[in-house]
Amino acid sequence: KAGVTQTPRYLIKTRGQQVTLSCSPISGHRSVSWYQQTPGQGLQFLFEYFSETQRNKGNFPGRFSGRQFSNSRSEMNVSTLELGDSALYLCASSQTGPSGDTQYFGPGTRLTVL
Amino acid sequence: KQEVTQIPAALSVPEGENLVLNCSFTDSAIYNLQWFRQDPGKGLTSLLLIQSSQREQTSGRLNASLDKSSGRSTLYIAASQPGDSATYLCAVPKSSGDKLTFGTGTRLAVRP
Repeated sequence: KAGVTQTPRYLIKTRGQQVTLSCSPISGHRSVSWYQQTPGQGLQFLFEYFSETQRNKGNFPGRFSGRQFSNSRSEMNVSTLELGDSALYLCASSQTGPSGDTQYFGPGTRLTVL
Repeated sequence: KQEVTQIPAALSVPEGENLVLNCSFTDSAIYNLQWFRQDPGKGLTSLLLIQSSQREQTSGRLNASLDKSSGRSTLYIAASQPGDSATYLCAVPKSSGDKLTFGTGTRLAVRP
């Protein structure tokens, strides 16, 4: 079974631009969660999608948004990038959700904002 | 608001030692507790999941315990190996369907 894939793996953007990250979950998984990881704040939850619906949302500004498609693939978008958005963005998939069963993480997208 | 702390932040041990990593959480109303490892620059790998009704869970050389009432979990690694070097994170959801709140992590180095 193929693991969770994230594209692109690395991204460099400038302040004010927008970016879209993609996550393909393991086949059959309906839940996709997104996390931001920085040295200062650690791993912070962004949002979770289940069957195309946002089920949970973390404490991030509205510049961070996401969606999930009918094949469970998910995208997250960050608009008007700020220097503080530089981070490793991780997605995780599971069958039922982050609380219920084993989470499978992708390798992450490293975003650098200049 | 749930806060999850892990002590120590970093640990270096010689190969073969048994070691214990600690995880503390402020709100004992948790659904389960999960342990992960993260290799540098990579995603997380799930190690163990302990349900709130369980006291411990074992997988190979790993044993995790949970004391909900005191807000603590420990991850015991037996006979450590250099391949165990990684950052270990614990995480808790408040209820079924809830998000995971992650701990601050313990960076482990096992010296050959």
